[in-house]
Amino acid sequence: DQQVKQNSPSLSVQEGRISILNCDYTNSMFDYFLWYKKYPAEGPTFLISISSIKDKNEDGRFTVFLNKSAKHLSLHIVPSQPGDSAVYFCAASARSNYKLTFGKGTLLTVNP
Amino acid sequence: DSGVTQTPKHLITATGQRVTLRCSPRSGDLSVYWYQQSLDQGLQFLIQYYNGEERAKGNILERFSAQQFPDLHSELNLSSLELGDSALYFCASSVETGGRTQYFGPGTRLLVL
Repeated sequence: DQQVKQNSPSLSVQEGRISILNCDYTNSMFDYFLWYKKYPAEGPTFLISISSIKDKNEDGRFTVFLNKSAKHLSLHIVPSQPGDSAVYFCAASARSNYKLTFGKGTLLTVNP
Repeated sequence: DSGVTQTPKHLITATGQRVTLRCSPRSGDLSVYWYQQSLDQGLQFLIQYYNGEERAKGNILERFSAQQFPDLHSELNLSSLELGDSALYFCASSVETGGRTQYFGPGTRLLVL
């Protein structure tokens, strides 16, 4: 039972363009969502989060959008840089239990 | 650098053995979480401790146990190891049990031969 889904295993974009990573969830109890970036052999690095009371949160080049009715969130990276190439994980948590439930990840490749 | 440290970085052992993984949370963080990342299962929550007490359990096997000490560092004990236990084990910490953002350590790569 995969409660957090990242349906695109990989995404390739050109440097300077927008990268859009998508995530869907099924558990309506989730009320806090996070994006992590991960390089091989390293731990996940926190990027940005959003609470269910908001529909958008922005931090520099990173913006996360939340559509609660569709149970969908997306991470926009503008402009994309080669250093952004990594695996991006979407994660969700519920107020009743603060464990994180992760998607399987999307490998982003930004080409120079 | 997240401020969360984990040792050892790599561990190679044999089936049937027991190992201990160690985690030190960020300064001031009271909550520690353990996750397992395997090739087929992705990142899976194992267990959470808050200020020395167990708070939540996930898909943790009975052969695995954890504890959090008064200085807030945590240890994950894996016993009767099987080949399938080979994985990356991550520790994360947050300010409090209600802290929604978790910061991850670099992980311990366990290989069971």
